[in-house]
Amino acid sequence: ETGVTQTPRHLVMGMTNKKSLKCEQHLGHNAMYWYKQSAKKPLELMFVYSLEERVENNSVPSRFSPECPNSSHLFLHLHTLQPEDSALYLCASSQADTQYFGPGTRLTVL
Amino acid sequence: GQQVMQIPQYQHVQEGEDFTTYCNSSTTLSNIQWYKQRPGGHPVFLIQLVKSGEVKKQKRLTFQFGEAKKNSSLHITATQTTDVGTYFCAGPEAAGNKLTFGGGTRVLVKP
Repeated sequence: ETGVTQTPRHLVMGMTNKKSLKCEQHLGHNAMYWYKQSAKKPLELMFVYSLEERVENNSVPSRFSPECPNSSHLFLHLHTLQPEDSALYLCASSQADTQYFGPGTRLTVL
Repeated sequence: GQQVMQIPQYQHVQEGEDFTTYCNSSTTLSNIQWYKQRPGGHPVFLIQLVKSGEVKKQKRLTFQFGEAKKNSSLHITATQTTDVGTYFCAGPEAAGNKLTFGGGTRVLVKP
């Protein structure tokens, strides 16, 4: 399954670092999503982009900053994260209701 | 807002046995979707049900959409170790592109 790719697959960062997660979809979809998955909340929607416009921001702290430069790419810029932000970050895309997920980035914040 | 709940949260099954997991929505859904996430993997779309009372089968998996379109079930017969994973149901919100996911049922198979 290579319709949605994410890099890096694993990331370890300190609380003062700045990093970015990248997502790319090759399915021609018009909507993209960021989810956070942890033991506490299995699938927590963070952001929704439709036609490159942000249509949803689920009360996500400002230390997470999304960017959608075009319909195929989605970024999540990270800065000044906390250890509780350690989780699996999943990107997904859709054209209608069904969502197709990328493999995720396993983030560890030290 | 719309809420989707799944029970049980964990399902321990003896290999070869059957089990059912349930999904309930606080609102009527236009459709219900099921996803499977293997350990260490990501959610993968399994199926979508649209019609009231609809039943669909995928080999040993039987999916059902309730008559009121507010609940759904997944029944697995003759469970195998390949069935291990977390099964999520999800329903679209009335407007926009959002899916509301249930909390998932994590299936563990005892050989």
